[in-house]
Amino acid sequence: DAKTTQPNSMESNEEEPVHLPCNHSTISGTDYIHWYRQLPSQGPEYVIHGLTSNVNNRMASLAIAEDRKSSTLILHRATLRDAAVYYCILRDVRGGSEKLVFGKGTKLTVNP
Amino acid sequence: DSGVTQTPKHLITATGQRVTLRCSPRSGDLSVYWYQQSLDQGLQFLIQYYNGEERAKGNILERFSAQQFPDLHSELNLSSLELGDSALYFCASSVNGASLVTEAFFGQGTRLTVV
Repeated sequence: DAKTTQPNSMESNEEEPVHLPCNHSTISGTDYIHWYRQLPSQGPEYVIHGLTSNVNNRMASLAIAEDRKSSTLILHRATLRDAAVYYCILRDVRGGSEKLVFGKGTKLTVNP
Repeated sequence: DSGVTQTPKHLITATGQRVTLRCSPRSGDLSVYWYQQSLDQGLQFLIQYYNGEERAKGNILERFSAQQFPDLHSELNLSSLELGDSALYFCASSVNGASLVTEAFFGQGTRLTVV
């Protein structure tokens, strides 16, 4: 499985934008970039995914570099409820297995 | 609420015992995944089933086994339990066809404590 690299932790202030980076220099053409987050004492929760183009949804935006070797999850206005561990995952759907392989993720702290 | 139901929420058992964790996927989801999360190992993929058949295997110990039943619910069986098996066990489900890229929905987990 291709690997991703994320900072161990980041801090933000409430109502400010947050940019969470992810490096995936060995990404293959069939790898989708997925982001999940895990709030304290809960199961992981899907945030967003993309392949080549930037993506937006109600939770966040995903900016993907042109060479696809890195991506950034953007939370436009952080709230205290966004404090969680954020995981950047490459998901290869070849071969019929779509398992998610989680790394250590980035622990986001949001200050009031 | 993700729609994925895991039971029980908490389980305390002694070393050497056997337990069964149960997962009901979201309605219509054919794939079920099991994950183990301990403090020092993070989220580890154990095994995936798709429509009753094993699809992918991860770091699952031989003492552990799983199955998916015709009604698509799944069970994870853990036997000869050791203290180190204490962890949160998550189940996830997704629609998943051969090439669909869909999100996975996770349950709230079963917290297993082995004493």
